[in-house]
Amino acid sequence: SQTIHQWPATLVQPVGSPLSLECTVEGTSNPNLYWYRQAAGRGLQLLFYSVGIGQISSEVPQNLSASRPQDRQFILSSKKLLLSDSGFYLCAWSVRTAMNTEAFFGQGTRLTVV
Amino acid sequence: QQPVQSPQAVILREGEDAVINCSSSKALYSVHWYRQKHGEAPVFLMILLKGGEQKGHEKISASFNEKKQQSSLYLTASQLSYSGTYFCGTAYGGSQGNLIFGKGTKLSVKP
Repeated sequence: SQTIHQWPATLVQPVGSPLSLECTVEGTSNPNLYWYRQAAGRGLQLLFYSVGIGQISSEVPQNLSASRPQDRQFILSSKKLLLSDSGFYLCAWSVRTAMNTEAFFGQGTRLTVV
Repeated sequence: QQPVQSPQAVILREGEDAVINCSSSKALYSVHWYRQKHGEAPVFLMILLKGGEQKGHEKISASFNEKKQQSSLYLTASQLSYSGTYFCGTAYGGSQGNLIFGKGTKLSVKP
């Protein structure tokens, strides 16, 4: 069966510090991968998605970046965090087929920038 | 490109019905519906792929009007467990890539 792992669950970081959140998927190959951020009043905001190794698409301009060094690994990074980067970050995957399929979410990382 | 959901919030008594709407200014390829409990990950409810398609999951059903670029989620005889935030999402690019969600509808079911 497929599983998605996301860590850490919670994180408190000072402004200006770097960030690295990791997400890995097991039990499937060549998935679509997503990073979302959830802040109050903004719903699920798509930050990045990837359809393959090294292929990253950004949906919103920000000081965050994403990388996909391996097929089932998706990393969200920042060189210098801002207060506005606080939020609940969710990684998700879906099967890449000709038809739309559901997205499976990780348990999320609650990031507080202080 | 973000789909628009309405209402933003709704409060129900147990056993009452509710409808949550999702609309888009851009042509919809499909519509996803998810429910999220506070502090947890969103959980998939259903996906609708064809114009006019309807689906059901227990007492929760949905319709998709491709021509009107709208989808509605129907919650019948609501239970306390239905409380949460409901999101509609759509992959404007089909199966390849971006899955964009609306801002959500917060549903509170009271005893």
